[in-house]
Amino acid sequence: DGGITQSPKYLFRKEGQNVTLSCEQNLNHDAMYWYRQDPGQGLRLIYYSQIVNDFQKGDIAEGYSVSREKKESFPLTVTSAQKNPTAFYLCASSDRQGNQPQHFGDGTRLSIL
Amino acid sequence: GENVEQHPSTLSVQEGDSAVIKCTYSDSASNYFPWYKQELGKRPQLIIDIRSNVGEKKDQRIAVTLNKTAKHFSLHITETQPEDSAVYFCAASNGYALNFGKGTSLLVTP
Repeated sequence: DGGITQSPKYLFRKEGQNVTLSCEQNLNHDAMYWYRQDPGQGLRLIYYSQIVNDFQKGDIAEGYSVSREKKESFPLTVTSAQKNPTAFYLCASSDRQGNQPQHFGDGTRLSIL
Repeated sequence: GENVEQHPSTLSVQEGDSAVIKCTYSDSASNYFPWYKQELGKRPQLIIDIRSNVGEKKDQRIAVTLNKTAKHFSLHITETQPEDSAVYFCAASNGYALNFGKGTSLLVTP
């Protein structure tokens, strides 16, 4: 599914550093989501956005920030306040929020140096 | 908020056998239930979904059943093949966001 592009594929963070994960979609979807995936934990929602210039916290938003300045873009910043950032991060989009199929990107694997 | 429980966490079957994965949810307002398949290191991919106004849906070897009264739904894979080996996630949505189960690692042995 080439409709959602995440970059980079791998990312390394130093102590005290903020890093930004990119997510771009060309599906003309209104809603976009960020999930964190840890082994044995499933997918946990970090932030979601229904429309441009609006976003809501998910279950594990602490230590993360997002912006939605354009419909096709929803970048995620992992701040230095996130003490355990090592995980697989997945971005998704859907036509409308909630009860619609979500399409996922290929993910970004973030590790600590 | 919504809580989705998924069982079993691991499942091993022989090729040709059936596999069943079960999920329960807590929010009676949930009305959309997708299932995703994720191969190692890859993105989750939607394999089938069901809405609350339907009790069963089938797509070739895959079927999903929903019991709204009991608040549980199940994935059934028949005639399993080695390429069905992956992690499967159920999810439930009440219209705001998807809440995922923790996943079932399915291994189909030849």
